[in-house]
Amino acid sequence: GENVEQHPSTLSVQEGDSAVIKCTYSDSASNYFPWYKQELGKGPQLIIDIRSNVGEKKDQRIAVTLNKTAKHFSLHITETQPEDSAVYFCAASATGSQGNLIFGKGTKLSVKP
Amino acid sequence: NAGVTQTPKFQVLKTGQSMTLQCAQDMNHNSMYWYRQDPGMGLRLIYYSASEGTTDKGEVPNGYNVSRLNKREFSLRLESAAPSQTSVYFCASALASGVTDTQYFGPGTRLTVL
Repeated sequence: GENVEQHPSTLSVQEGDSAVIKCTYSDSASNYFPWYKQELGKGPQLIIDIRSNVGEKKDQRIAVTLNKTAKHFSLHITETQPEDSAVYFCAASATGSQGNLIFGKGTKLSVKP
Repeated sequence: NAGVTQTPKFQVLKTGQSMTLQCAQDMNHNSMYWYRQDPGMGLRLIYYSASEGTTDKGEVPNGYNVSRLNKREFSLRLESAAPSQTSVYFCASALASGVTDTQYFGPGTRLTVL
């Protein structure tokens, strides 16, 4: 089955710097890759997603890139702000099961003012 | 539009007790999911329901049962709670069972089993 590895587990940056979180997946048939942000005490919230027919997608300060050949995808946050501090999860669609996602173990991002 | 709601928010049980976690969505979604979240483990799928009337096991179903009561509601039952079931439980829903559908999460239930 699908396996998703996420790195790093913790990331600390200065306000205004960029942050990059990387994920790899094992199943070449996976075709949907969402990223979720989880603030303390809340449920995960989708921030951006990408499908396998697209190499890059941007939404203001957030971008996701996908390399299907290497089976990895990354989240890029530019001009980080303290409110970006949270735990970020990547996920990949699990083929053979309806609508299921396999999640990485998360990255705790801290943005220092 | 409340989205996905979960009750209770917090619960403490003794080993062997039973309880049901409730989840409801008002987005007319077809698919619903139960996850557990443990430190350093990410989100792991317990059970899911692709549509009203169907349920299937996920990655970690042992010790749990589910009921898709109607299109809106999906409950998770612990028949005999164990300390290993101490976790934060999240319910999620998606419009359809297609793999590209966004899953929307509830606020979670924090369960402690003593």
